[in-house]
Amino acid sequence: KQEVTQIPAALSVPEGENLVLNCSFTDSAIYNLQWFRQDPGKGLTSLLLIQSSQREQTSGRLNASLDKSSGRSTLYIAASQPGDSATYLCAVRAGNSGYALNFGKGTSLLVTP
Amino acid sequence: EAQVTQNPRYLITVTGKKLTVTCSQNMNHEYMSWYRQDPGLGLRQIYYSMNVEVTDKGDVPEGYKVSRKEKRNFPLILESPSPNQTSLYFCATAPTQGRGTEAFFGQGTRLTVV
Repeated sequence: KQEVTQIPAALSVPEGENLVLNCSFTDSAIYNLQWFRQDPGKGLTSLLLIQSSQREQTSGRLNASLDKSSGRSTLYIAASQPGDSATYLCAVRAGNSGYALNFGKGTSLLVTP
Repeated sequence: EAQVTQNPRYLITVTGKKLTVTCSQNMNHEYMSWYRQDPGLGLRQIYYSMNVEVTDKGDVPEGYKVSRKEKRNFPLILESPSPNQTSLYFCATAPTQGRGTEAFFGQGTRLTVV
């Protein structure tokens, strides 16, 4: 079964810092990887989708990379802002259970002014 | 506007009282799925559907039922809710059987069973 791990579990940084969130997965036979943002008690907002054939995707201050062979992805956030404070979830889509998304437990990010 | 709509958003109910959480999408997606989110356990798949009248179990199906009579709707049914089903529930959809495509999520339903 696909296992997805996110490190660190929690992170606190001052405003303006660049930061990297890590995601690793055990089975490299994935279709894609998706990064989500979740505010407390709220729904999931899709940030970036990387297909298995791609190496990276960018959206504004966010850049996600994928190294399928090593089972790793990173989410880079440039010039962090207090509004970036949220939980970031990594999910990989594989062939199990009807192409289910397998989620990590998330990294809780706090950006302090 | 592309939407995945769940109802209700919040629900408090008593043990054993049957309830249904609805999920509706306007994107003509074939694939729909239900997840529950619990502290320390993350998001886990309950049931999924590849198309109308095609459903299958995910990782944690016990205590739940689903149906897919129409493409746009995928209700989650708790026939006899128990306190261990207190959780945050999400409906997800994706096109073309969901393999290489982006998944979209509803806003969530917070269920409390007392």
